[in-house]
Amino acid sequence: GEDVEQSLFLSVREGDSSVINCTYTDSSSTYLYWYKQEPGAGLQLLTYIFSNMDMKQDQRLTVLLNKKDKHLSLRIADTQTGDSAIYFCAEKTSYDKVIFGPGTSLSVIP
Amino acid sequence: NAGVMQNPRHLVRRRGQEARLRCSPMKGHSHVYWYRQLPEEGLKFMVYLQKENIIDESGMPKERFSAEFPKEGPSILRIQQVVRGDSAAYFCASSVARATYEQYFGPGTRLTVT
Repeated sequence: GEDVEQSLFLSVREGDSSVINCTYTDSSSTYLYWYKQEPGAGLQLLTYIFSNMDMKQDQRLTVLLNKKDKHLSLRIADTQTGDSAIYFCAEKTSYDKVIFGPGTSLSVIP
Repeated sequence: NAGVMQNPRHLVRRRGQEARLRCSPMKGHSHVYWYRQLPEEGLKFMVYLQKENIIDESGMPKERFSAEFPKEGPSILRIQQVVRGDSAAYFCASSVARATYEQYFGPGTRLTVT
């Protein structure tokens, strides 16, 4: 079946790097996404990676995709207090449905 | 260029009442998706609609829930005879085409059933 898993909590110190991990099950996924949700707000697309790529970098964000292990990670360099939020990993399946993980709550300690 | 709009932002209903949630997609978008986020959980897909058509409703509960996206006007998610377990945030997203990589999300409607 379709399933996306993430660890639920991560705590880092301001200025350190954060790494949020995700595993998914659908090997025919076309796109994989990272969304950010701040308290009381909707979802903001942070970055995405096409399934035939293995890395994408966008300023402080680095996405790594290991398709063999169905493992996706998001690295945030120089984490700031404004990065505190819930981060959702998601995959777009071959049926064009987007499946979300449960979200990782990132806490940044000043 | 307005983004995806949802209203109301907050909705309180008593058990047994009906809830109507509205979603206006981004200009030029004809594909709408509804998701439900239960407290402390991720988003769960409910239904995918194009104008006047339901494309995929595999995530919709079989009873009490319905969705439409008429030719004119917003998409409506309707929940009849609400129960406490329906309390959640309901998000709408839109895209310009089915195969596009991005869905743009609205701010959500937070439904509370008392």
